[in-house]
Amino acid sequence: NAGVMQNPRHLVRRRGQEARLRCSPMKGHSHVYWYRQLPEEGLKFMVYLQKENIIDESGMPKERFSAEFPKEGPSILRIQQVVRGDSAAYFCASSPLSGANVLTFGAGSRLTVL
Amino acid sequence: RKEVEQDPGPFNVPEGATVAFNCTYSNSASQSFFWYRQDCRKEPKLLMSVYSSGNEDGRFTAQLNRASQYISLLIRDSKLSDSATYLCVGGISGGYNKLIFGAGTRLAVHP
Repeated sequence: NAGVMQNPRHLVRRRGQEARLRCSPMKGHSHVYWYRQLPEEGLKFMVYLQKENIIDESGMPKERFSAEFPKEGPSILRIQQVVRGDSAAYFCASSPLSGANVLTFGAGSRLTVL
Repeated sequence: RKEVEQDPGPFNVPEGATVAFNCTYSNSASQSFFWYRQDCRKEPKLLMSVYSSGNEDGRFTAQLNRASQYISLLIRDSKLSDSATYLCVGGISGGYNKLIFGAGTRLAVHP
């Protein structure tokens, strides 16, 4: 079991570029969560998705950020026109059930905006 | 006010010491609680769930006080390998489990 796979592990972008972060959940998991961790801060919930559905995006910034979890393929977190404040670690987690108490996290994608 | 508040530390303790971390939560909708451990630049990993009756896993003991909205973690006989950031986490159940993380308490165990 490969666990939750995230890529790229490190991404450097210049201001104004786009960042795409990918997350493949654990085998058998159909629920994906994205969290953001700013330096020296805790993880902040961004969005919860099931296959082809966004269930809760209450933590997503209103502009420039979007997420999807298509029927086939990984979940994608997309950040358009990145700014320096977007520099953070973005963690993806998955669970097999919507009410599962335990989330398994991926190793994270570290975005640096120059 | 943050939904989950923790003392950021750092707690610097010698090997063998007993150390206690505290956490308070403000959202009464939180129904489940956990302690996660996060090593530097790594992903958080579940350490243990927290129950009102208290639960113990080896050297680790967790306790929940719903009336005071307070959660604790006790680590006995600290090891060098316990050095990490400990994240207090509340889960809000509403069809799915939305985890709210505290900012973490940093522990450094020295020889």
